[in-house]
Parts: sequence; structure tokens; C-alpha cells
Amino acid sequence: DAMVIQNPRYQVTQFGKPVTLSCSQTLNHNVMYWYQQKSSQAPKLLFHYYDKDFNNEADTPDNFQSRRPNTSFCFLDIRSPGLGDAAMYLCATSEGGANTGELFFGEGSRLTVL
Amino acid sequence: GENVEQHPSTLSVQEGDSAVIKCTYSDSASNYFPWYKQELGKRPQLIIDIRSNVGEKKDQRIAVTLNKTAKHFSLHITETQPEDSAVYFCAARAFGNEKLTFGTGTRLTIIP
Repeated sequence: DAMVIQNPRYQVTQFGKPVTLSCSQTLNHNVMYWYQQKSSQAPKLLFHYYDKDFNNEADTPDNFQSRRPNTSFCFLDIRSPGLGDAAMYLCATSEGGANTGELFFGEGSRLTVL
Repeated sequence: GENVEQHPSTLSVQEGDSAVIKCTYSDSASNYFPWYKQELGKRPQLIIDIRSNVGEKKDQRIAVTLNKTAKHFSLHITETQPEDSAVYFCAARAFGNEKLTFGTGTRLTIIP
């Protein structure tokens, strides 16, 4: 029944070692988002895709990249994780379009950087 | 871009009392205002939302009010219960924009 699935749920990496987080959806939504959330702060949007159109937030570091090979999947690549990148990474989807509404979140991937 | 301010940052209420959380937004083009509840270690979950063509919406113990002129909206929880303890986020989105801007969050604690 899970609609937005993130893997892995927990990821431990070493400083500077690349990490890839994945997200898949069964909702056939047009829009997929990646948010970074640190200790009860608000989710911070890193980027989103509307279909294949990539939209990067101005303050997202170059260290963060994303790929969306098809409608169902989206990946977050962290090229050289630093200690400050330790966070919960939330994937979300929405229908898209002028009257789009609810965001559907995955369970999140918690990244620890040693 | 849109800026959403949320108050208070923490709120403690006695079980059974009401809780009110307030948000203001800056973009007059915003027309969709959801509220998310996030329990510790879990994902945000939508509890109620309102669009700009409506002034108030209610779902059991939860209600949201919207004042478009003043650009603020509020979450009201009545008859609070211990399971209402969580962090609550308001958010706003402009018409035709996929980006949802979140408020800074309110940590609500219900005191038994």
C-alpha cells in the first residue's frame, strides 16, 4: 500500500564518500521533490522535477544532484557528503498542474556522516 | 519568493484545552494552505488543507481559518489529546507553482 517508497531508510557513510538515495512512487504523479530536514526544522526543498523538467533551488549546494530516469523513480546523489549533510532526506510527490494539492511524503532516508 | 512565518515555535496545553497555531504568508498569489503533522522520526502527514476560495474548513476536532486580506491562516485543535503532541508545519503554495513553502514549525505538547 506504500505509495512513496524511499531506500534505504538509514544510510551511514564516511565523510566524502558518495551516497545515492532512491525514491519510487506508485501514484503516477508528475512532480517529485527532494527535501532535506534537520532535527525538527522545517523541510527544506533541494529541487523538484515536473515530469523531466528539473528545478533547482538557488541555495542548493552543487554537492547535491538528482536524476529522474522515469516517472516512477527519482534519485538523490550526494557527491561528497560533509558532516553538515547529516539529515533526514524526504522524497515527496504531487499531481502537478495549476490546481495541484497535497504532497505525499515517503518515510524518509536518514543519513549519518562519520 | 514566498515566505511563511509560523508562531508560536512551542506550545504546551492541558489535555482537553484548545490549541491555536498561526501562520502568515507573503505572496498574495498563494492559494493553497496545508497543515502537516510530524511525529518524532516520522514523515510529515497532511491533516487538513484549505484553498483561497474558502474562509474556513473543519474536520472533527481540527479546523483551519484563512484571512486572505491579512494573509494569515490558523490551525485550531479542540479537545486536545496526548496523541496530538507533535510538530506542526503550515505551508503555502501559489497558483500554478509546484513549490510548497513551509513555516518553521510548532512543537505542540499536550500535558495529561
